Parts: sequence; structure tokens; C-alpha cells
Amino acid sequence: EAGVAQSPRYKIIEKRQSVAFWCNPISGHATLYWYQQILGQGPKLLIQFQNNGVVDDSQLPKDRFSAERLKGVDSTLKIQPAKLEDSAVYLCASTPGGSAGANVLTFGAGSRLTVL
Amino acid sequence: AQSVTQLDSQVPVFEEAPVELRCNYSSSVSVYLFWYVQYPNQGLQLLLKYLSGSTLVKGINGFEAEFNKSQTSFHLRKPSVHISDTAEYFCAVSDRGSARQLTFGSGTQLTVLP
Repeated sequence: EAGVAQSPRYKIIEKRQSVAFWCNPISGHATLYWYQQILGQGPKLLIQFQNNGVVDDSQLPKDRFSAERLKGVDSTLKIQPAKLEDSAVYLCASTPGGSAGANVLTFGAGSRLTVL
Repeated sequence: AQSVTQLDSQVPVFEEAPVELRCNYSSSVSVYLFWYVQYPNQGLQLLLKYLSGSTLVKGINGFEAEFNKSQTSFHLRKPSVHISDTAEYFCAVSDRGSARQLTFGSGTQLTVLP
């Protein structure tokens, strides 16, 4: 079974520029998450999708961050304009979803963003 | 809402020695508990999980954790560590409701010394 794919793995931009990250979850996984992991901290949830609908985006800084999952499969996370404090690893995770049992998330390798 | 506290940010230990990584959580509802491991430049990998039943949970790579409801703790242990166990370890909690989002602790860097 293929894992969660993310690209690019690394990105360096200057502040006020824009950047986009792409995630392809495990086939058939209905639920997709984007997490932000700042150096020295645990991952923090940015947004959760169920198929192509948003379940929770309460912690997404909507003035600069946006995310979509138009066909309920791939997802993109965009930052525009970027700030220095956006330097972090952006992790995508997916899970089958559904109402039974715990959601064990499978994570991608992450996209490391450096804002200069 | 839930929160997770990992009491030690760094734990150095000699090879073949035992180790315990501490985790305490706070929640007003019943939860699921997890430990994830992150090797350098990689994503998070599930070590073990507590869903229900036996409070002693065994995971991969010889790790185990014990759920203590009265102390709201979920400490991770290994009786004998290897150099390859050097990594960052994250404790996480998830509510049992429909969203079941993971809330992570700040992580513990385990460094195994030769």
C-alpha cells in the first residue's frame, strides 16, 4: 500500500512570497489533515477534511492560509503572503474515517518550509 | 478540548539501559492515546495506541506504554534501548467523538549513547 505522498519536500522562499504544498493521501482514505510542526514543537492541526468538505479549520490563519480538496482525494495547502513565523514542516495525514474505532493517522514525510 | 504534557524535552540514555518517556494528558471526555516516533527528516510513525481494555499496551520495536486513568498518564517504556531508537517521540490524545483529531505534546528527544 502506497503511503501519503507530499511535495515538495523542501521549499525556501522570501517573506511575502507565496507557496503551495500538495498531498496525495492513501487511496480510499476519506479524512485528510494538514498539520504544522514548528521546530521544537509538536504538530498542530491546521485543517481537517472529510472527503471534499471541511470538518474543522478553526486553527487555520485564514488571512494567509488556504486549503482545498476539490475532488475528495488530493489536497493543496497555500500560504500567501508568507511570514517568517510560517517556517515549519507541513505534515499531511490521512485516515479511513468512519464512525467506528479510533482514527489512526498515517503521516506523509512532510514539506519543510523556510521563510527568509 | 484536550492537552498533552511531555515532561522531558530531552532524555539521554546509554545503550541497553531502560528508558521511560513521560506523558500526562488533560481532557474532560474519554480519550484515545497514542505514541508516535519521528526519525530525522521523516514523518510520524505510530508506535502504539490505547483504545480500551488492558491498560498495558505493547507496540513496535519493543516499546510498551501503560494507561493510568487516575493519574491521567500514558508513559512510554522500553527495557533495553538501542542506538537506532534515537528519535523524537510524541505523545498524542484524541477524543472519542466524531472528529477525533489528534492533539500532540511537544515531544521528547531520546538520544541513545554508545
